[in-house]
Amino acid sequence: DAGVIQSPRHEVTEMGQEVTLRCKPISGHDYLFWYRQTMMRGLELLIYFNNNVPIDDSGMPEDRFSAKMPNASFSTLKIQPSEPRDSAVYFCASSLGGRGYTFGSGTRLTVV
Amino acid sequence: AQSVTQLGSHVSVSEGALVLLRCNYSSSVPPYLFWYVQYPNQGLQLLLKYTSAATLVKGINGFEAEFKKSETSFHLTKPSAHMSDAAEYFCAVSDRGGADGLTFGKGTHLIIQP
Repeated sequence: DAGVIQSPRHEVTEMGQEVTLRCKPISGHDYLFWYRQTMMRGLELLIYFNNNVPIDDSGMPEDRFSAKMPNASFSTLKIQPSEPRDSAVYFCASSLGGRGYTFGSGTRLTVV
Repeated sequence: AQSVTQLGSHVSVSEGALVLLRCNYSSSVPPYLFWYVQYPNQGLQLLLKYTSAATLVKGINGFEAEFKKSETSFHLTKPSAHMSDAAEYFCAVSDRGGADGLTFGKGTHLIIQP
């Protein structure tokens, strides 16, 4: 199994631009989580899905952030418009039954 | 609400010495507790997890952790540090075994001195 695959690995964009981060979970996993990691705030849960349905998005910082999971093998996290304070490493993780998380390698986002 | 406190943002030990990384948690229900390791520019890898089956939990790479309810602690230990243990370590808590997401501590950077 290739694990959780995130793309791109690095993204540099200008303030105000739309950014889309992508995640392919492990096949058969029914939970998908998006986390954000910053030096100041550490690892924060943004949103999670169960069977492609968003369950809790209370961690999404602002309306500029949105996430979708159109099918069991793909999820996106979109920021529109992006701001410098959105610069962080964004991780996707998947699990079966909510246990035994597997994390992706992350997307390092820099907004200039 | 759940929370995790990791004492010491940086811990330095000599190669071959005991590693002790501290974690205290707050939870309104019996918790599920986890330790993860993160190497530079990589994702998080599970070291071990406590799910109430046994208070002493053994994980990968020679690490273990002991759940102490009276102290609300879940400290991570390894008898003999190796240079390859240098990394960032995160303690995390969940009320539902992870099905509702994990609440992470701020992390402890482990430095191994030769």
